[in-house]
Amino acid sequence: KQEVTQIPAALSVPEGENLVLNCSFTDSAIYNLQWFRQDPGKGLTSLLLIQSSQREQTSGRLNASLDKSSGRSTLYIAASQPGDSATYLCAAPNFGNEKLTFGTGTRLTIIP
Amino acid sequence: NAGVMQNPRHLVRRRGQEARLRCSPMKGHSHVYWYRQLPEEGLKFMVYLQKENIIDESGMPKERFSAEFPKEGPSILRIQQVVRGDSAAYFCASSPDREADTQYFGPGTRLTVL
Repeated sequence: KQEVTQIPAALSVPEGENLVLNCSFTDSAIYNLQWFRQDPGKGLTSLLLIQSSQREQTSGRLNASLDKSSGRSTLYIAASQPGDSATYLCAAPNFGNEKLTFGTGTRLTIIP
Repeated sequence: NAGVMQNPRHLVRRRGQEARLRCSPMKGHSHVYWYRQLPEEGLKFMVYLQKENIIDESGMPKERFSAEFPKEGPSILRIQQVVRGDSAAYFCASSPDREADTQYFGPGTRLTVL
């Protein structure tokens, strides 16, 4: 059974700093790994998707990496802004299994 | 192309009543997934449906919960005789096929049971 863990559960950093969010998974037979953003009381916005054959994906100030052998993924946010404040979730399906297993999220607060 | 639509966005029910949550997938998507997010917890898979078929319901509670995705119309998640512990955000996602890279999520329905 896949288990996804995100550490830390909450993080506060001053505006402008670079930061890293961590995601660990127990079963490396993943088809891909996704990072989502969730604003309070809102739905999920897909940020980045890394295929199992890839090592990283970049979109603007965001960079996500994937290391299947160690069961880890990181989301790097450069030059953080107050608008980045949200909960960040990672999720992975398994091969032949379409359902996503989500981590519990990291609640990020960027201090102006 | 409109995104995944869910309604209602907020639903209040008293204990013992029924709750019906609707999900209209993106145009051209025939696969629907339901997830539940309990307060202060992560999203948990509930059920995966294709048109007129339940593919995987391993995350559905054994009693009071049911889901359908008819040939015409939205997918429905039905909760009978709701209890306070059913209070949560229920999210629907859709994809065009089984091999799709990603699922597209709706805004969710927030169910409050009084």
